Amino acid sequence: GQQLNQSPQSMFIQEGEDVSMNCTSSSIFNTWLWYKQDPGEGPVLLIALYKAGELTSNGRLTAQFGITRKDSFLNISASIPSDVGIYFCAGGREYGNKLVFGAGTILRVKS
Amino acid sequence: GAVVSQHPSWVICKSGTSVKIECRSLDFQATTMFWYRQFPKQSLMLMATSNEGSKATYEQGVEKDKFLINHASLTLSTLTVTSAHPEDSSFYICSARPSGPHNEQFFGPGTRLTVL
Repeated sequence: GQQLNQSPQSMFIQEGEDVSMNCTSSSIFNTWLWYKQDPGEGPVLLIALYKAGELTSNGRLTAQFGITRKDSFLNISASIPSDVGIYFCAGGREYGNKLVFGAGTILRVKS
Repeated sequence: GAVVSQHPSWVICKSGTSVKIECRSLDFQATTMFWYRQFPKQSLMLMATSNEGSKATYEQGVEKDKFLINHASLTLSTLTVTSAHPEDSSFYICSARPSGPHNEQFFGPGTRLTVL
């Protein structure tokens, strides 16, 4: 089936540090989305990307749609304790179709 | 904007009973809604895609007679777990895609189902 390889699997960083995570695929996607999920809650959309090469920011978060359309990364600058959670990437192909999700990156922050 | 609610947020039921979970888009119309299941420390597993006014499309391995989905309006989809058993215990999450040219899905807060 369709697979997204998300890395790293988990991160344990110091408060104030920058964070970087990425997703790669062997096939092309037309949409890349990044979500954050807190324990016991549903995922919350952070950033949506629709064009190859697109770089989009949302506060301290920055995400890019890879030029090959097979990868995307998410950066978090100056991490804070509330950044703790699981981050998922998701790729979409055709409009309205289902998304393919990565396995998630667990982020823990030491204050 | 783009708020999705789910009800109930948690439910405990006896084995053999049926449980209905509602998913509502509160401030937008959703032509398509999706139902996911999530096991602890795992990613989201798509169960089915639900389009308003038509039959749901189930993923391989998901029993359509076990997990009944109804999408009667542009703001409401329901998932009914029929004759629930302990192995159906899980976190069920719905999402809704607004009508329009993009692929974003907005998720509900999830429903924790425990079958005794």
